[in-house]
Amino acid sequence: AAGVIQSPRHLIKEKRETATLKCYPIPRHDTVYWYQQGPGQDPQFLISFYEKMQSDKGSIPDRFSAQQFSDYHSELNMSSLELGDSALYFCASSLVDSGANVLTFGAGSRLTVL
Amino acid sequence: QQQVKQSPQSLIVQKGGISIINCAYENTAFDYFPWYQQFPGKGPALLIAIRPDVSEKKEGRFTISFNKSAKQFSLHIMDSQPGDSATYFCAARNQQGGTSYGKLTFGQGTILTVHP
Repeated sequence: AAGVIQSPRHLIKEKRETATLKCYPIPRHDTVYWYQQGPGQDPQFLISFYEKMQSDKGSIPDRFSAQQFSDYHSELNMSSLELGDSALYFCASSLVDSGANVLTFGAGSRLTVL
Repeated sequence: QQQVKQSPQSLIVQKGGISIINCAYENTAFDYFPWYQQFPGKGPALLIAIRPDVSEKKEGRFTISFNKSAKQFSLHIMDSQPGDSATYFCAARNQQGGTSYGKLTFGQGTILTVHP
């Protein structure tokens, strides 16, 4: 079965640089979620998109932005990177309109800011 | 403010024993409670989930017990195996729509170690 695909799996950046993470949801899923997980922390909700429109916003810094494209893939753009941005970034997708709305997570992208 | 509180932080169990992880929540709008299992370097994977109109749900060795009046729920892993060693997260979601569209609020996680 197709899963949520995230790229890149690992990314190393310097402070003040920019990073872009990509997420390809499960086919026909209508909602994408982005989560940030720091070392030893629980995943924190950043932002979500339903049918390519932003549906909810969590604790996402102003330096971060995200969008969902016509093919339903999503990108998380992070600028002016700080050391504290080092974390695992997970994308999840779900089919909200199915009623079951089970979130399936990707394997994550590990960002290291030096 | 942690909306979902999970305990213990870590748990060590012998093979064949019972692992019990507890969670408590405050937001009465939560109406869907999944448990996720996460291995190092991997994404969380759905293990089992329950809705508040049910007091218990069992799937194989995994059981969720739910106490709506106390706003608490727990995961029981029977006959724990070394392969169960992972981090377990409880979560809660307001599935009533509006603008939430099903985002999950996670507990702090429990690192389970099952010794052979």
